[in-house]
Amino acid sequence: GAGVSQTPSNKVTEKGKYVELRCDPISGHTALYWYRQSLGQGPEFLIYFQGTGAADDSGLPNDRFFAVRPEGSVSTLKIQRTERGDSAVYLCASSLISLAGDNEQFFGPGTRLTVL
Amino acid sequence: TQLLEQSPQFLSIQEGENLTVYCNSSSVFSSLQWYRQEPGEGPVLLVTVVTGGEVKKLKRLTFQFGDARKDSSLHITAAQPGDTGLYLCAGDRAGGTSYGKLTFGQGTILTVHP
Repeated sequence: GAGVSQTPSNKVTEKGKYVELRCDPISGHTALYWYRQSLGQGPEFLIYFQGTGAADDSGLPNDRFFAVRPEGSVSTLKIQRTERGDSAVYLCASSLISLAGDNEQFFGPGTRLTVL
Repeated sequence: TQLLEQSPQFLSIQEGENLTVYCNSSSVFSSLQWYRQEPGEGPVLLVTVVTGGEVKKLKRLTFQFGDARKDSSLHITAAQPGDTGLYLCAGDRAGGTSYGKLTFGQGTILTVHP
């Protein structure tokens, strides 16, 4: 596809359940980012991948959150034992490289997660 | 933790009016970006400013980066209903330890009435 895609677009789950959110970055983009956007707020950084490795996971709120990018392309954000406070839009972005400079991040449409 | 304070949070104006959105921080950024986000979509980059004091124009939008690279502003001239949306500023400290990790302001919801 031409842009970053995310699936599902919407996910409703019950408290305590496990969820997986998928991100397909733009082909060839080596850097991939996950952000979380709560209602009425700007996106908040969660984790950054350069290739297959998580170069910076300082934004993950706790050990219930985990993300992988095993082949350096598609990434999955995994949330265990979901809580109502996890409800938000989860955004994925990719860029060509991630060095000093103004490398543009291209965002997907997000996955809206609702925890009942 | 570096914070970006964005103001105002809400802005409701009539078509044809001018407006300015501000983004302030106590931290220095290597670059600052402005995004626009529509409902149900991800943010879309409008502009990146890199040099202190830099001014960039995009049609009716003027972006300025403060001399100390701690603050920025977005000015829209003669706003139109199509400008309605969420405007976000984001700072990038790439070159240090954050490698393009963006810190976003809380956003400004702009509504332009016909």
